[in-house]
Amino acid sequence: AQSVAQPEDQVNVAEGNPLTVKCTYSVSGNPYLFWYVQYPNRGLQFLLKYITGDNLVKGSYGFEAEFNKSQTSFHLKKPSALVSDSALYFCAVREMGGGNKLTFGTGTQLKVEL
Amino acid sequence: EPEVTQTPSHQVTQMGQEVILRCVPISNHLYFYWYRQILGQKVEFLVSFYNNEISEKSEIFDDQFSVERPDGSNFTLKIRSTKLEDSAMYFCASSGGEFNEQFFGPGTRLTVL
Repeated sequence: AQSVAQPEDQVNVAEGNPLTVKCTYSVSGNPYLFWYVQYPNRGLQFLLKYITGDNLVKGSYGFEAEFNKSQTSFHLKKPSALVSDSALYFCAVREMGGGNKLTFGTGTQLKVEL
Repeated sequence: EPEVTQTPSHQVTQMGQEVILRCVPISNHLYFYWYRQILGQKVEFLVSFYNNEISEKSEIFDDQFSVERPDGSNFTLKIRSTKLEDSAMYFCASSGGEFNEQFFGPGTRLTVL
């Protein structure tokens, strides 16, 4: 069975500082990995994905994520945080050949302060 | 930019009543999904739908649930006899291909009293 862990319920960072939101996954085979962001009273917005190829993937709004197969991690990063980045971030995985369903982590609340 | 839309945004119903949640996926997408998020919990997969049939469903998606694509644009989730524990935010999603990212709608908040 596939699973995702987001070990931090909340991450606080000062505006202008780099941010990292952590994600680890577990699948039997090769993973497809995704990051989504949820703003209050809104749906999930797609940020970026890893399917294959370069381990560093770039996405929307200056976010990027690094796939690390040996550590089974897919941490979300941004070099310089903005107050407007404050939101709930979800990591998700699906297993190659394992159907289309996404399995989500519990989410990490990012708070960027001035 | 095309987006997934859902109606209503909020549905309040009495326990035992039937509800239908509606979604309009992105027009050229072929794969459709329903997820739900109970307050304070993670987003959970319910069902995926392709080529007019269910391709995968979770344990949550029991006989009380059904999905339908009644025409070329709508995708519906029906709960036949709602229970208190069905109260959640229900998200519809669609994707253009089997390996493409899924795009989510804004959700329908279902409250069962």
